[in-house]
Amino acid sequence: GQQVMQIPQYQHVQEGEDFTTYCNSSTTLSNIQWYKQRPGGHPVFLIQLVKSGEVKKQKRLTFQFGEAKKNSSLHITATQTTDVGTYFCAGSRNAGNNRKLIWGLGTSLAVNP
Amino acid sequence: GAVVSQHPSRVICKSGTSVKIECRSLDFQATTMFWYRQFPKQSLMLMATSNEGSKATYEQGVEKDKFLINHASLTLSTLTVTSAHPEDSSFYICSAATDRVHQPQHFGDGTRLSIL
Repeated sequence: GQQVMQIPQYQHVQEGEDFTTYCNSSTTLSNIQWYKQRPGGHPVFLIQLVKSGEVKKQKRLTFQFGEAKKNSSLHITATQTTDVGTYFCAGSRNAGNNRKLIWGLGTSLAVNP
Repeated sequence: GAVVSQHPSRVICKSGTSVKIECRSLDFQATTMFWYRQFPKQSLMLMATSNEGSKATYEQGVEKDKFLINHASLTLSTLTVTSAHPEDSSFYICSAATDRVHQPQHFGDGTRLSIL
């Protein structure tokens, strides 16, 4: 069945270091979304990528969508303690009404001050 | 904008009790609502997708009679865990989306259910 693999599962960095999480889908996606979930919280939408090869930036966060629309990455430059949480990618095969998402397992980021 | 309210945030009850969880979209019309279950340190597991005015579509392995979903209006969906048992203890999260193309899901705060 459809799968979205996400690596690494955990990442522990020193504050100021960079961080990257990767997602790979077994099938071509219509779009991919990224969410952040803080410990004890709920997922919060970060961004959506739709176009092949798309790159979007939000301050220190850079999101990429692969040319084949099967993989994506989230890169954080110079991590801060506020970046702590689990980052999920979630892909959709359909742009239409049933926007069922296929979720990656998440990458849990810990940042040492 | 795009606020989703979910309550209760926490429920502790005895085995055999039925528990209803509400999910409301406060400032937009949610044509589709999703119900997820999340175990500690794990990803979200989609339980069912509900569209306003129609029956929910359940994922494989999710019991329809156990997890009753109602989506009676464009702003409200409910999940009822019937005759809950300790193995139903989990974090349940709803999300809501409009019918516009390429729109994200907006999540409620989640309900932490503990069955004694």
